[in-house]
Formats: sequence, C-alpha cells, structure tokens
Amino acid sequence: DAKTTQPPSMDCAEGRAANLPCNHSTISGNEYVYWYRQIHSQGPQYIIHGLKNNETNEMASLIITEDRKSSTLILPHATLRDTAVYYCIVHNAGGTSYGKLTFGQGTILTVHP
Amino acid sequence: GAGVSQTPSNKVTEKGKYVELRCDPISGHTALYWYRQSLGQGPEFLIYFQGTGAADDSGLPNDRFFAVRPEGSVSTLKIQRTERGDSAVYLCASSYDIMNTEAFFGQGTRLTVV
Repeated sequence: DAKTTQPPSMDCAEGRAANLPCNHSTISGNEYVYWYRQIHSQGPQYIIHGLKNNETNEMASLIITEDRKSSTLILPHATLRDTAVYYCIVHNAGGTSYGKLTFGQGTILTVHP
Repeated sequence: GAGVSQTPSNKVTEKGKYVELRCDPISGHTALYWYRQSLGQGPEFLIYFQGTGAADDSGLPNDRFFAVRPEGSVSTLKIQRTERGDSAVYLCASSYDIMNTEAFFGQGTRLTVV
C-alpha cells in the first residue's frame, strides 16, 4: 500500500469546518483512500472511503484531487466530540492483502470551544 | 451484542507468562482482524481471518504469537513467554466480509507485562 503523509496536529473551532489534508503521491490506480478516527481510549472508527470521486456521508466529506495524489477530509461542523486522531490510509481493497490496513501516525485534531 | 467485544479490558502479567486475549466479533461478520497499538503510534496489523482460516498472518512479530478462530466466530490471540516489549493495546476488529474494509473495532485489551 502507498505511504501517506499527514500533519501531526491541527486545531479547529467548534462549529467551524475542519479540513484535514493527506498526501499520497505514490497511490496507484486500484488503491482506495480510507479515513478512520480514534477517540481517546477507544478503537478506531471508520469514517469514509473513496477511489477517485468525491464522497459524502453523514459524518464527513472526502475530496480527492484529480491526480489522486492528495485528499482532504472535511468535517463540516466540528464539535468537541470530534477531537480525535484521524488516520488517512491508502489501501488496495482488491489486492492479496486486502484485509490489512496500514495505519500511519495520523493527525491529532483538537476542537476548541 | 451490538459491537465487537474484547476481554479482558486490562491484563497485567509477569514476564515469561502465557496470556490469552479474546475477541467476540459482530454476529454475522466473517472477517476478523487483530492489531496492536503501542503508545503514541497507529495500530499495527497482526493477522486477519476469513472464516476459520488465517488469510494473512504476516504481521505476527514472532512465533510466540498465535491466533485461532476455530468456529469462525470468536477468536483468541495467544502470547507465549511474554516480554515487556509485548506491552500494548491489542485491538480486534470485524467486518461483514473480507472485501468490505469498513471494519468495526473493539475497545481493545491493554496488556502490561511487568
């Protein structure tokens, strides 16, 4: 799976949009971009994933650049409960190790009142 | 149950002892995964199962670690001759099938080897 680069930490004001960037310049054509988050003392939680089109669900939006070398996770109205470590993962869902997610260091998002 | 259940939530053991960590996946999920997370790091893959068989055990650090899933549901991660470096949070996850990598994680078992 391709390597990802994320900023180690970010801050956001409550109620504002949180935009979390991820670089994955070596992504290949059959690799998806996944986002998970981990709230303190809990297991990771799936947020969203996409291949090349932008995706939206009840939790977040995922914007993938046209060349697929980077993406942004958007939490439209951040709350204090969104404070967590956010992991961007590039994963070949159809490859021989498709059950294996490779987590990096992630971005610590802190939402302030 | 509603989610992935791991027991115990905390385990303290002496160096050299044997430990077993249990994972109850979400009912109906055929894929089950084990990860290990050290302080300040992201989860690190250990092994995953599709049904009863280990589909990929490439993340197990050495032969002291072993995992089973005899009936395709509950899984046990077994660690022999524990070392202080084995101290970590051991996370279990499950998904509906192996192609669906929306995995649901448990709360983890915090293992401390003293």
